[in-house]
Amino acid sequence: AQTVTQSQPEMSVQEAETVTLSCTYDTSESDYYLFWYKQPPSRQMILVIRQEAYKQQNATENRFSVNFQKAAKSFSLKISDSQLGDAAMYFCAYRRPFGNEKLTFGTGTRLTIIP
Amino acid sequence: EAQVTQNPRYLITVTGKKLTVTCSQNMNHEYMSWYRQDPGLGLRQIYYSMNVEVTDKGDVPEGYKVSRKEKRNFPLILESPSPNQTSLYFCASSLVFRDRGTGTDTQYFGPGTRLTVL
Repeated sequence: AQTVTQSQPEMSVQEAETVTLSCTYDTSESDYYLFWYKQPPSRQMILVIRQEAYKQQNATENRFSVNFQKAAKSFSLKISDSQLGDAAMYFCAYRRPFGNEKLTFGTGTRLTIIP
Repeated sequence: EAQVTQNPRYLITVTGKKLTVTCSQNMNHEYMSWYRQDPGLGLRQIYYSMNVEVTDKGDVPEGYKVSRKEKRNFPLILESPSPNQTSLYFCASSLVFRDRGTGTDTQYFGPGTRLTVL
């Protein structure tokens, strides 16, 4: 079974600085998808960024980028120029593209932005 | 607007009183799923459906039922709720995966339902 581990329960960063959230996963499959979801105080689950495992190029969405290391099974999220609105719980998730296409989530990292 | 809706958003009930949380999507998605979120555990899958009349258990199905009679709706039923089912519940949907690069890998979430069972 796949597992996803987020080893940092809480992180904090100064506004306008850069922060990296860590995620590792365990799978025996070669084809899969990885995601970072943001959950602000409203509790809505918002997709931040996605990565296809067959692509070597790291995904980027504006101030958000990932460092995908397939051999190491690592998928970290970098937030540049942190803003107050980035304060939230961040979840890393794994999905395989067949069968029960469920998302397997990590336990989350709570990010605080210091003004 | 493409969206997943859930009702109710908040519910306080008592042990043993049957309840249903509705989920509806307007994106013609085949795949739908229910998750529960508990502190320190992330989100865990309860049940899922690959299409109409096709449902199966996820990781934590005990105490829950689902049905999929229409493509757009996927209600979650708690026939005899207990306090350990107090949680935040999310419905999610997506297209069934087709092929690489088609964008069919992304699940979209409803706003969540906060359930308290006393």
